[in-house]
Parts: sequence; C-alpha cells; structure tokens
Amino acid sequence: EPEVTQTPSHQVTQMGQEVILRCVPISNHLYFYWYRQILGQKVEFLVSFYNNEISEKSEIFDDQFSVERPDGSNFTLKIRSTKLEDSAMYFCASGETGGYGYTFGSGTRLTVV
Amino acid sequence: GESVGLHLPTLSVQEGDNSIINCAYSNSASDYFIWYKQESGKGPQFIIDIRSNMDKRQGQRVTVLLNKTVKHLSLQIAATQPGDSAVYFCAELLGSNYKLTFGKGTLLTVNP
Repeated sequence: EPEVTQTPSHQVTQMGQEVILRCVPISNHLYFYWYRQILGQKVEFLVSFYNNEISEKSEIFDDQFSVERPDGSNFTLKIRSTKLEDSAMYFCASGETGGYGYTFGSGTRLTVV
Repeated sequence: GESVGLHLPTLSVQEGDNSIINCAYSNSASDYFIWYKQESGKGPQFIIDIRSNMDKRQGQRVTVLLNKTVKHLSLQIAATQPGDSAVYFCAELLGSNYKLTFGKGTLLTVNP
C-alpha cells in the first residue's frame, strides 16, 4: 500500500535554529498538507498546498514557517527560528483528489531545547 | 470556536465487546466526516468516512452513524480486539482546500 514518508522521525534542535522537515507524498497525489500535534493534544491544521502554491494556512503558520515542493517528489516544511513551543509531532499528508480523506505520514517528532 | 469535539476522553472495554465512540460537531454546513485511528508514535490512519447525505456507513467491523438533527457522529467497533487500542479522532473536512478539523480524541483501551 502506498505510503507518505517523513524524515527524520525525530529531530532535536536548539531554540533559534532552522529546521527542515521532509516528506515524500504518494506519487499521484495532488493535494499536500502539514499538520502538527502537540503532545497529548489534537491534531491541528497548518497549511495546505496545491498546484505549487499555498491554498490555505492557519493562524499557527506565521512568517517563521514556509513550505516548498522543490522537485516532483519532496514536500518540505521549514521553520526558520524555532521556539520551545514549536516542539510537537509534525505530520505530512497527501490526497489524490479533494473532498476525501487523505493519507498521513508517521510524523517527525520535533524537540526544541 | 471549535467545530468538532468528542464527548468521552477515555473508553475502556473488554476484548470482544462492542465499542462506541462519540463526536459532536457544530457546523451544520459540514458535509463530510472521517474517523481516524492513531496508534502511539504513528500518524492518523483513515478508518471510515461518511457524507452528510448518509445516516450510516459500514466497513469491516466498524460502523459510522451520522445524526444531522443533533449534529452527532459515532464510531462503532464490533468485537473489539487488543489491536484496536488507540486514540480515535473524528474529523470534519472543511472548505474548498479540504482542511481537516480534528476533535480532541478518545483513548480506547481494550482489556484482554
């Protein structure tokens, strides 16, 4: 069964440093998403990406966040200057079409110290 | 305010029993709902979905019921197994960009 692959599985970074979280969506999917989950809390929407541009972003997705699809397979989330409160699981997801449930990756656990 | 939420944060059942997990939503315009299962250290895994033009949908050992009158959604798991132990989230698909809004989650524990 096709999977969404995320790397690394766990990243520890110092406050103020930049991190890039990487995702390889399912190959024929057109819709891409990042979500995050702070420990013990619900999954929160960050950003959606379609047709090589951001289609929607949440209030969480401020200027320190950016997304890119640098080639035909990767989808990245960059956090420019990490803060302690950025510590969370970050999930990438992709969907073949809109209007249906999509597939999540296993996540990257980001720990900011 | 929050559009989707869960009534019970934890549910403990005996193996073989049926489980029912509930969810309320507040946006009457919502027309598509999904149940996800999340095991420890993993991402949400799609279980079953339902559109608002349906009241019930069945999968393998799972059934989702939708009551639009009271804006309530439930997930029924038949003959619950230890492998069903996980956090279950309902989610609502919103808008033309297909953003998912998740509820808080219910932790299901299946006792052998």
